[in-house]
Amino acid sequence: SQTIHQWPATLVQPVGSPLSLECTVEGTSNPNLYWYRQAAGRGLQLLFYSVGIGQISSEVPQNLSASRPQDRQFILSSKKLLLSDSGFYLCAWTPETETYGYTFGSGTRLTVV
Amino acid sequence: QKEVEQNSGPLSVPEGAIASLNCTYSDRGSQSFFWYRQYSGKSPELIMSIYSNGDKEDGRFTAQLNKASQYVSLLIRDSQPSDSATYLCAVMTGGGNKLTFGTGTQLKVEL
Repeated sequence: SQTIHQWPATLVQPVGSPLSLECTVEGTSNPNLYWYRQAAGRGLQLLFYSVGIGQISSEVPQNLSASRPQDRQFILSSKKLLLSDSGFYLCAWTPETETYGYTFGSGTRLTVV
Repeated sequence: QKEVEQNSGPLSVPEGAIASLNCTYSDRGSQSFFWYRQYSGKSPELIMSIYSNGDKEDGRFTAQLNKASQYVSLLIRDSQPSDSATYLCAVMTGGGNKLTFGTGTQLKVEL
């Protein structure tokens, strides 16, 4: 069966520090991968999605970036965090060619102080 | 106009009652629709998907889709306190495999 792992679960980082969040999927190949952010009291905002290794599409221009160095690995990064980057970051996946709903990882709660 | 709209609630229903959650969407070309349940502090969990007009039932949950009216709903029968959560409506929009989410409706099931 397929599983999605996301870490760390919580993170407190100072303004201006770098960020690296990692997501991996097991039990499938060539998944579509997504990064969402959910700010307090707000909806889910799509940040990046990827349909293959090295293929990244950005939905919202900001100081975040994403990379997909391996087929089942998706990384969210920032060189310098802002206070507004605080939120609940969620990684999700779907099979390559199917239009099923996403399966989400357990999320990372990031607080920038 | 937001692409996917939901009433934020909270919607309060007594235990055992039917909870009705509604969602409207703006993209007439949308073909796939989903309901997620999100407990406080947790990630969203897919509970229902619907692709064609009409009703789809799964246990105590029924999803309803009306593409002409651009309307999706979720009915929860025999509501339980464990159903208390935020319910997110999601629509596959704009081509490709991308979901757009509503802001969610908070449901409270009271004893």
